[in-house]
Amino acid sequence: QKEVEQDPGPLSVPEGAIVSLNCTYSNSAFQYFMWYRQYSRKGPELLMYTYSSGNKEDGRFTAQVDKSSKYISLFIRDSQPSDSATYLCAMERGDAGGTSYGKLTFGQGTILTVHP
Amino acid sequence: NAGVMQNPRHLVRRRGQEARLRCSPMKGHSHVYWYRQLPEEGLKFMVYLQKENIIDESGMPKERFSAEFPKEGPSILRIQQVVRGDSAAYFCASSLIGVNSPLHFGNGTRLTVT
Repeated sequence: QKEVEQDPGPLSVPEGAIVSLNCTYSNSAFQYFMWYRQYSRKGPELLMYTYSSGNKEDGRFTAQVDKSSKYISLFIRDSQPSDSATYLCAMERGDAGGTSYGKLTFGQGTILTVHP
Repeated sequence: NAGVMQNPRHLVRRRGQEARLRCSPMKGHSHVYWYRQLPEEGLKFMVYLQKENIIDESGMPKERFSAEFPKEGPSILRIQQVVRGDSAAYFCASSLIGVNSPLHFGNGTRLTVT
């Protein structure tokens, strides 16, 4: 079983829809949670970076972390064709003191297409 | 992404040759990470370096792979005697302080071994 599970999709939605992307994980030691967007033939671009549980909002993006369920989500409101990309969730344990060092565990990525 | 510079973007090597991948971190960043993305798989951590130091190489294959980040110049990921299974996209990332600091990725080097 992979430490981080992410449905690869593909997911296709109409422009303006609310998109929900999810990851589950098995290791309760994960404390840092990230979402990256990756366009074809490009590197991952950081969208959201959160520590522990709770919600975080940035523009049209909202990230949610539920550590009790080992489940994280990314919501995209008013989706645009330019949002079409692969979305990667990533996590990190941090050390015993809660410090992260950039050793991330990634999900496989969900391919999203937003059609006009 | 433009801040982390990787070259070459594409690299073709024959089995048994050496591959050298270069990474210049974002300006002001002194912490560098290498990740590998195999076909149909997610990104996998390989190594974390600071200037002149390897901090964590737990994701590096035991043989043929090495990494360095010298005092001057870019970070180098070196793969000796490449095999077809080394074909992948190799991404470099950098962070400002290395602690509780998000990673910023480059656009990767796509290695093809023929």
